[in-house]
Amino acid sequence: AQSVTQPDIHITVSEGASLELRCNYSYGATPYLFWYVQSPGQGLQLLLKYFSGDTLVQGIKGFEAEFKRSQSSFNLRKPSVHWSDAAEYFCAVGSFSGGYNKLIFGAGTRLAVHP
Amino acid sequence: EAGVAQSPRYKIIEKRQSVAFWCNPISGHATLYWYQQILGQGPKLLIQFQNNGVVDDSQLPKDRFSAERLKGVDSTLKIQPAKLEDSAVYLCASRPGSGRLTDTQYFGPGTRLTVL
Repeated sequence: AQSVTQPDIHITVSEGASLELRCNYSYGATPYLFWYVQSPGQGLQLLLKYFSGDTLVQGIKGFEAEFKRSQSSFNLRKPSVHWSDAAEYFCAVGSFSGGYNKLIFGAGTRLAVHP
Repeated sequence: EAGVAQSPRYKIIEKRQSVAFWCNPISGHATLYWYQQILGQGPKLLIQFQNNGVVDDSQLPKDRFSAERLKGVDSTLKIQPAKLEDSAVYLCASRPGSGRLTDTQYFGPGTRLTVL
């Protein structure tokens, strides 16, 4: 069965430091992968997505993610974190079954940013 | 373009009471989803509509949860009777077209339900 694991429940970084959030997936075929961000009291916003092609994907707000098939990973990175990046981040894999598709989410990583 | 709208934003009820949530998707979006997000967990799909038909409700606790999408636009999710473990944020999302994996799901702000 398809699944997503985000090993880090909570991460704290200093403003201006680099960031990497880990995501591992389990999927039998070529995965469709997504990163969403959820700020307090708000819905999920798509940061970036990977379907095929270049394994380094650029997203909004200066985020990027790299797909590594050999490691079943899709880690999210940002070179310099801003205080406004404090939020919860969810990795998801697109699952196609029964003729329709859905997203399977990881448990999320909560990011805190120290000034 | 207006986003996905949900109401109410917050709801507090006592166990065994009933509650209903409303969702208005982005105009023209054929696919609508309801997710349950329990504190500390990722969203879990409850039900998926394609226009006004249900295509996946395998994770919906049908003894107490029900949902409908009349005329293929707005949708309501109901819980009757509520249990303590139903305390969660209920997210509505919509997606254009036929639901290709490459289409983006757009999420509403959610309804936070507290069952006392």
